[in-house]
Amino acid sequence: AQTVTQSQPEMSVQEAETVTLSCTYDTSESDYYLFWYKQPPSRQMILVIRQEAYKQQNATENRFSVNFQKAAKSFSLKISDSQLGDAAMYFCAYTPPGAGNQFYFGTGTSLTVIP
Amino acid sequence: DTAVSQTPKYLVTQMGNDKSIKCEQNLGHDTMYWYKQDSKKFLKIMFSYNNKELIINETVPNRFSPKSPDKAHLNLHINSLELGDSAVYFCASSQDGTGNQETQYFGPGTRLLVL
Repeated sequence: AQTVTQSQPEMSVQEAETVTLSCTYDTSESDYYLFWYKQPPSRQMILVIRQEAYKQQNATENRFSVNFQKAAKSFSLKISDSQLGDAAMYFCAYTPPGAGNQFYFGTGTSLTVIP
Repeated sequence: DTAVSQTPKYLVTQMGNDKSIKCEQNLGHDTMYWYKQDSKKFLKIMFSYNNKELIINETVPNRFSPKSPDKAHLNLHINSLELGDSAVYFCASSQDGTGNQETQYFGPGTRLLVL
């Protein structure tokens, strides 16, 4: 079974500081994709960043970057210069090849940004 | 313009009723999905359709029936609603999705409350 684990149900960060959200996954595949989605109180699921497993370079999107450790099956999200608008639930997702683009989501991490 | 839209946003109904949730995407994508997010925020896929053909059909009660009149629409019909059906239902779409790992774009969600 495909599993995605987010071990931090809740995290908090001071505004302008940096925070890292952890995600691990279980797979026997070598070619897969990983995603981080953000869900603010509005409930909208918003793509934050994605990573292809065959790419060794860590993906970055402005203040968001990942630390992808393939051997360790770890995919953490780093948010730099945290802003109040970053407060949300963050979900890690994994999709293997040949599965009809089925996403497996973690249980989420609730991020609070303290002014 | 909204990329993936769902109606209604909120749905309150009595046990035993039949209800439908509609989803439309204007992204020109071939694949659409339905997810259920429970009270603990866990997201789980229910169905996916590629060009009106059922691709993913997870173990959900027969009371749930997806219908895709065309590739831009995927509606979810629920018969004989039960208390446990209360959740937020998300529609999503991706460009292809038949086997390629692609970003999924989510609708705003429909909060269903069964009394």
